[in-house]
Amino acid sequence: DTEVTQTPKHLVMGMTNKKSLKCEQHMGHRAMYWYKQKAKKPPELMFVYSYEKLSINESVPSRFSPECPNSSLLNLHLHALQPEDSALYLCASSQGGGGALEPQHFGDGTRLSIL
Amino acid sequence: SQQGEEDPQALSIQEGENATMNCSYKTSINNLQWYRQNSGRGLVHLILIRSNEREKHSGRLRVTLDTSKKSSSLLITASRAADTASYFCATGGWDYSSASKIIFGSGTRLSIRP
Repeated sequence: DTEVTQTPKHLVMGMTNKKSLKCEQHMGHRAMYWYKQKAKKPPELMFVYSYEKLSINESVPSRFSPECPNSSLLNLHLHALQPEDSALYLCASSQGGGGALEPQHFGDGTRLSIL
Repeated sequence: SQQGEEDPQALSIQEGENATMNCSYKTSINNLQWYRQNSGRGLVHLILIRSNEREKHSGRLRVTLDTSKKSSSLLITASRAADTASYFCATGGWDYSSASKIIFGSGTRLSIRP
């Protein structure tokens, strides 16, 4: 069982819909991440939150809007997505105090399909 | 951007054999990590090796790092059907901010034949 929980596991939405992906961890980690992964490709970093503040935005289109309500929760708000946004969206967390030295813990992802 | 290239892209071996995957990267690193991803699941951290280390073991896993060649290898000994998965290397730079940014390699798809 993974210690990072993502909901929903699957999501199908139209291009005009608004939906949100949720991620939760209770390991006391202070850094949280969103990744996008296409089939047979490595994960691509989208956003990093450190101590509940957005620290890295990898030039992600504004139709993706992250939110970190508290240190345990991470949301990704979706609006007016395009078919090419269909992918597996992975959330991860890390302890946050070790700079670039620490492992990341991943959830099982949300598989998103845009009609 | 993709830092690491892995080879082979795909590997199929008989159960019980050893599997070796290689990762090459481009820039100076602080550490290198290996992750496993089973089909339809998230990534699982396997092992982290620091730039001043040359070899590290964890159970049936052996990782080597050659910073002069900017390369690493992952050896899985006595493979099992459960080892069937994609394996990714990931490199961490020298950014000591509180958020870690790692960049994943292209991955190796490993299949273990019964």
